[in-house]
Amino acid sequence: DIMLTQSPATLSVTPGESISLSCRASQSISTNLHWYQQKPNESPRVLIKYASQTISGIPSRFSGSGSGTDFTLNINRVEPEDFSVYYCQQSNSWPFTFGSGTKLEIK
Amino acid sequence: EVQLVESGGGLVQPGRSLKLSCLASGFTFSNYGMNWIRQAPGKGLEWVASISSSSSYIYYADTVKGRFTISRDNAKNTLYLQMTSLRSEDTALYYCARRGTSLFDYWGQGVMVTVSS
Repeated sequence: DIMLTQSPATLSVTPGESISLSCRASQSISTNLHWYQQKPNESPRVLIKYASQTISGIPSRFSGSGSGTDFTLNINRVEPEDFSVYYCQQSNSWPFTFGSGTKLEIK
Repeated sequence: EVQLVESGGGLVQPGRSLKLSCLASGFTFSNYGMNWIRQAPGKGLEWVASISSSSSYIYYADTVKGRFTISRDNAKNTLYLQMTSLRSEDTALYYCARRGTSLFDYWGQGVMVTVSS
């Protein structure tokens, strides 16, 4: 199974800062990597698909990059509503796996 | 509007069975693969099972293989998860999710399953 390692586990930031979250795969997955946001007591929603492709309705401050084994989710100027947990997920091979998540919290 | 509504959760004793349902609306259900994904209290997301649009391809996580069965009824726009030999570690919020190509593009609100004596 492909393991996804997300770092850091928790990131404390001030609104307005720009940040990067990391997701590293245990083997190459091309660009078959997707990012989700989960706010407290809500279902996850997809933010970025195939490493860097945008999703309709998602604010432009969210962007993704990477290929192979190293991927990054960038948030340009964090807004108060962005404080939540972020997961990466690979679809290169079954079983589709998730990373353990990065919690973005207010400093 | 795409809607996925799970039902069938509850409190069940270890070793017993439970069947979850997910009623889909707002899209052509028979055209999409569907999935169950769970989240233990305070933990991350764990993919559980997947079924293709015509039920030709079915996959399970190793943690549930042999105990859980995913199925669907395209005439009823409904996805199912039959869970047997339940364990305490199966306690989680179970989400039904549509698979749009290779990602989970729509999720239900989840249904809680608690396995405890």
